[in-house]
Amino acid sequence: SYELTQPPSVSVSPGQTASITCSGEKLGDKFACWYQQRPGQSPVLVIYQDTKRPSGIPERFSGSNSGNTATLTISGTQAMDEADYYCQTWDSSTVVFGGGTKLTVL
Amino acid sequence: QITLKESGPTLVKPTQTLTLTCTFSGFSLSTTGVAVGWIRQPPEKALEWLALIYWNDDKRYRPSLESRLTITKDTSKNQVVLTMTNMDPVDTATYYCAHRLVDTPAVTFDYWGQGTLVTVSS
Repeated sequence: SYELTQPPSVSVSPGQTASITCSGEKLGDKFACWYQQRPGQSPVLVIYQDTKRPSGIPERFSGSNSGNTATLTISGTQAMDEADYYCQTWDSSTVVFGGGTKLTVL
Repeated sequence: QITLKESGPTLVKPTQTLTLTCTFSGFSLSTTGVAVGWIRQPPEKALEWLALIYWNDDKRYRPSLESRLTITKDTSKNQVVLTMTNMDPVDTATYYCAHRLVDTPAVTFDYWGQGTLVTVSS
């Protein structure tokens, strides 16, 4: 079965750029999306179809996907961006989530 | 405005069958391209996709749980129902239903319910 691998944690200083990776075999040949989940809340879609932002998502969120790795980039990270982030793709008619990355802003 | 809300028991006993209902508004499951999925999240763990049902009644299941899962829809009631048989304590999780973003060839969930915590314990 297809697997997506994320680092368990990433730390960033306020105002700096955070990058969260998601690795999977030939992931660049599929579409990837990203969800933000704050404690006690439901996931929120922040990037879909590799690079697109839903309405209402700040421009500081961006995405890329090439080769075996998709990346979520948060520019000018703010304290409110501290959350868990999950990548997700679609493979062989199944939905696959990554294991999640806890982003700490300190 | 799209909203979804999960309902069902908060506590089930081992070996029992869990039935969860997702009641939604703001879209129709008879519209081409629309789908609703179920995702769960054990406490302090990652999201895990369970099942998906499309407007045309096509269904997809997590392979490792397929024998235990059934997803159905009632278009007239704007509801999607998930049943999971032979519940075990490891199935303790918050269960979410979510709307599939239509404007993409992939399966992406753009609206999520608030989730419902189901505990499996005797």
